[in-house]
Amino acid sequence: GENVEQHPSTLSVQEGDSAVIKCTYSDSASNYFPWYKQELGKRPQLIIDIRSNVGEKKDQRIAVTLNKTAKHFSLHITETQPEDSAVYFCASAYTNAGKSTFGDGTTLTVKP
Amino acid sequence: NAGVMQNPRHLVRRRGQEARLRCSPMKGHSHVYWYRQLPEEGLKFMVYLQKENIIDESGMPKERFSAEFPKEGPSILRIQQVVRGDSAAYFCASSPISPLGIGKDTDNEQFFGPGTRLTVL
Repeated sequence: GENVEQHPSTLSVQEGDSAVIKCTYSDSASNYFPWYKQELGKRPQLIIDIRSNVGEKKDQRIAVTLNKTAKHFSLHITETQPEDSAVYFCASAYTNAGKSTFGDGTTLTVKP
Repeated sequence: NAGVMQNPRHLVRRRGQEARLRCSPMKGHSHVYWYRQLPEEGLKFMVYLQKENIIDESGMPKERFSAEFPKEGPSILRIQQVVRGDSAAYFCASSPISPLGIGKDTDNEQFFGPGTRLTVL
């Protein structure tokens, strides 16, 4: 089955700096890659996603890049703010199969 | 437009009892997924259901766990004879994924419910 690895497990940055989280996946059939943000005690919330026919997608301070050949994708957060502090999960899915396989998460701390 | 609903939000059971977790998907969604999250860990897939069908239960333990999504009513995840190791947050998600259509760009975006936090004493 699909295996998703996520790095780093913890990341601490100063407010205003950029943060990058990287994930690799194993199943070349995967074609949908969402990123979720989960605050303590709350539900995961989709923040951005990318499909395999696109190499990069940006939404304000958040961007995701995908390299299908190397089977890795990354989340980039620029101008970080303390409210960006949370656990971030990457996931991969083959849309017709339904389920998503999640990485183990990255705890991001943005220091004011 | 209500989001994914789960109840109860918190459930306490003693070892050996049964736990029933309910999930009502978003309106118009007929695909439901259950995930388990142990403390300070990631989300682990358990089961994927459509109305009256289990599509993929590869992540669900073979014993004590069962899931259903009837034609009417919420999806239910049932854990029989709970043990302490079952203590976790159980999240349900739903998606508007299209039927397996040829030529369609199916949408797998999943919307999560608030979770049920199960504590086994």
